[in-house]
Amino acid sequence: EPEVTQTPSHQVTQMGQEVILRCVPISNHLYFYWYRQILGQKVEFLVSFYNNEISEKSEIFDDQFSVERPDGSNFTLKIRSTKLEDSAMYFCASHEQRNTGELFFGEGSRLTVL
Amino acid sequence: GNSVTQMEGPVTLSEEAFLTINCTYTATGYPSLFWYVQYPGEGLQLLLKATKADDKGSNKGFEATYRKETTSFHLEKGSVQVSDSAVYFCAPSFPAGGTSYGKLTFGQGTILTVHP
Repeated sequence: EPEVTQTPSHQVTQMGQEVILRCVPISNHLYFYWYRQILGQKVEFLVSFYNNEISEKSEIFDDQFSVERPDGSNFTLKIRSTKLEDSAMYFCASHEQRNTGELFFGEGSRLTVL
Repeated sequence: GNSVTQMEGPVTLSEEAFLTINCTYTATGYPSLFWYVQYPGEGLQLLLKATKADDKGSNKGFEATYRKETTSFHLEKGSVQVSDSAVYFCAPSFPAGGTSYGKLTFGQGTILTVHP
């Protein structure tokens, strides 16, 4: 069964360092998302991406964050200069068609900022 | 504005007990409604959905009915199993312009533990 895969599963970094989280969405999907979940809190929408551009972003997704789809298969989330409060589980998701909330999620990448 | 309120947990039940997890929303339009589940060590999976009023979503013995009059989408199961132990999220998709049809607003999650 097709699935969304994310790497790394866990990354530990020092404050101020750049981090790239990688996702391989399901191959025929066209819409891509990043969500995050700070420990003990809600899952929060970060950004959506379609047709090689950002469709929508939340207030959380400030200038320190960026996304790209560099090669038609990977979908990456970059944090330029990590802060302690960026420590969270980051989920990638994708879906095929418009007008659906049926997202397919990856297992998540846990980011720990020290 | 749009928001979702989900029953706080944790919920601890014995096997074969009845489960209800409440979820209500406020919306300016008519959202699509979803329940997602996260089993230990895994990602989020769609459990069931309902896209219009009075629709009933069902899967794996779980059910939820889209109640427009009470703006609710409560999750129920008549007889839970140990394998149902997981975190359950109510997640409406509120209608909006643009292409973010997969933008979900998650409830806070309810941890369910089922004992033998």
